[in-house]
Amino acid sequence: EMQLVESGGGLVKPGGSLRLSCAASGFTFGNYRMNWVRQTLGKGLEWVSSISPGSGNIYYADSVRGRFTISRDNADNSLYLQMSSLRAEDTAVYYCARTEVYGDYGDAFDIWGQGTMVTVSS
Amino acid sequence: EIVLTQSPGTLSLSPGERATLSCRASLSIRSSYLDWYQQKPGQAPRLLIYGASSRAAGIPERFTGSGSGTDFTLVISRLEPEDFAVYYCQHYGSSPPYTFGQGTKVEIK
Repeated sequence: EMQLVESGGGLVKPGGSLRLSCAASGFTFGNYRMNWVRQTLGKGLEWVSSISPGSGNIYYADSVRGRFTISRDNADNSLYLQMSSLRAEDTAVYYCARTEVYGDYGDAFDIWGQGTMVTVSS
Repeated sequence: EIVLTQSPGTLSLSPGERATLSCRASLSIRSSYLDWYQQKPGQAPRLLIYGASSRAAGIPERFTGSGSGTDFTLVISRLEPEDFAVYYCQHYGSSPPYTFGQGTKVEIK
């Protein structure tokens, strides 16, 4: 079964740091672009960051650029999100998601983890 | 950045009825860049439709996506009890940001 499992969420003070992890299983992790997507409580979805299979291409949403760092370890089938200078508005459920490429039919997030909650509060 | 606007915000329907959900893009986009997701309370989103009209693996035929340019539609032909959820469209373009609409909640009337 293809699966993504996030961990590392928790309560952190404004200005603090946190590192999220996402463990992949059931597929060849190193072949896929991976992503972080967050969802604020009761609100919608926001794409946060993406990383290519070989880590050569990395992208961030404007809201987190310069504060968050995405990385991966293909040997360990793991995805990471290092978050620093955290703000109250970063409070959300953070999901890791796999990108599937459908050729002429585009790309999509086809596998999602269950999410990990990050709360930024004093 | 492409902004996606979904309507209505909430759709109140009964099981067996037809649901029509709209997603409008701020600029014309390629159909291959439009995806739809379903999210139930306490769960992660699930991919329903990619490329505007292709059903993802395991998605029932009652879910149909269509559209082009700036206007896209998700139709659920006959609502089953498990279909009451929030639905999001997403622009997964050639480069980020990969924006989502604000969602349409399909609730039981």
